[in-house]
Amino acid sequence: EPEVTQTPSHQVTQMGQEVILRCVPISNHLYFYWYRQILGQKVEFLVSFYNNEISEKSEIFDDQFSVERPDGSNFTLKIRSTKLEDSAMYFCASSQFGGGLPGELFFGEGSRLTVL
Amino acid sequence: SQQGEEDPQALSIQEGENATMNCSYKTSINNLQWYRQNSGRGLVHLILIRSNEREKHSGRLRVTLDTSKKSSSLLITASRAADTASYFCATPLIFGTGTLLAVQP
Repeated sequence: EPEVTQTPSHQVTQMGQEVILRCVPISNHLYFYWYRQILGQKVEFLVSFYNNEISEKSEIFDDQFSVERPDGSNFTLKIRSTKLEDSAMYFCASSQFGGGLPGELFFGEGSRLTVL
Repeated sequence: SQQGEEDPQALSIQEGENATMNCSYKTSINNLQWYRQNSGRGLVHLILIRSNEREKHSGRLRVTLDTSKKSSSLLITASRAADTASYFCATPLIFGTGTLLAVQP
């Protein structure tokens, strides 16, 4: 069964360092998303991506964050200068449909980021 | 922005009982989805209900949607210990606060 894969599963970094989280969405999906979940809290929407550009982003997704689809398979989230409060689980998701009528989101298992 | 709020925040029941979770949201939607998350894991899609639907079933799951009240409910019948997880509604990209369900064997 096709699945969304994320790497790394866990990354520990020092405050101020840059981090890149990687995702391989399901191959025939066109819409891609990043979410984050601080321990014990709700799942927060960061950004959605379609046709090589950001289609929607939340207030959380500030200039510190960027997303990229560098090739036909990977979808990355870059955090430029990490802060302690960036420590969270980051989830990638993809869907076949999106825009005004998004369908089922398929989630990866997440990348846990710990900022020291 | 759209935001789902689930209640209760936590629910503990015995195996075999039914579990009902509610979700309220603020803006108009095209569809509403329910997801499940086991502790520390990714989210798994359970069911999608469109704005023109009032009720939908999938196995032991029953979802209702009342767009006039901007609310939805998820009913899990004949619960099992394996149903223990957090359950979230999503409208449809924005997730609610979740209900932590514990099913005691």
